[in-house]
Amino acid sequence: SQELEQSPQSLIVQEGKNLTINCTSSKTLYGLYWYKQKYGEGLIFLMMLQKGGEEKSHEKITAKLDEKKQQSSLHITASQPSHAGIYLCGAAMNRDDKIIFGKGTRLHILP
Amino acid sequence: DAGVTQSPTHLIKTRGQQVTLRCSPKSGHDTVSWYQQALGQGPQFIFQYYEEEERQRGNFPDRFSGHQYPNYSSELNVNALLLGDSALYLCASSLVGLTQYFGPGTRLTVL
Repeated sequence: SQELEQSPQSLIVQEGKNLTINCTSSKTLYGLYWYKQKYGEGLIFLMMLQKGGEEKSHEKITAKLDEKKQQSSLHITASQPSHAGIYLCGAAMNRDDKIIFGKGTRLHILP
Repeated sequence: DAGVTQSPTHLIKTRGQQVTLRCSPKSGHDTVSWYQQALGQGPQFIFQYYEEEERQRGNFPDRFSGHQYPNYSSELNVNALLLGDSALYLCASSLVGLTQYFGPGTRLTVL
């Protein structure tokens, strides 16, 4: 069965520092999603990557998908308190498919 | 443009009872997916509805059932509630094959 591993599970960084979150799939993906979640709330869509080698950016957040479409990284530059929350990667194996999620990375930003 | 809405926000039930959760998709979306998120875990796919039919189903027992109406809104029903059903229930809507957008969730507590 498809598995999605996220690392690290938890991250504490000083405000202004850069950070990276990784997501690894056991199988080749159709699409890789990144969502952000405030504790106990709904998921906010960040980015979706489909093509091998694809890279997308939104404000200070950049996500990349490797050529084999099995690994993705999310990079935040000059972190701010507003970046705190849970980052979830999700994978779809086919178009219209369900999303399989990793367990999430809990990000804390220290002022 | 309203996003995905869910009701109620919170719900407390006792073991053995039945519950109905509701979801209104984002305007223009025709597909609704339901996920269960236990504390500290990533969301787990329950099922997906398209054109009023259940199109995909995750590894959940028959106690979990759903419905989609002609206006694309959806319900999730859970019968014979167990303590382990306590979770955040998330609804996501999409236009078939495209990105899923999530609602704020319904927090279900089973006592």
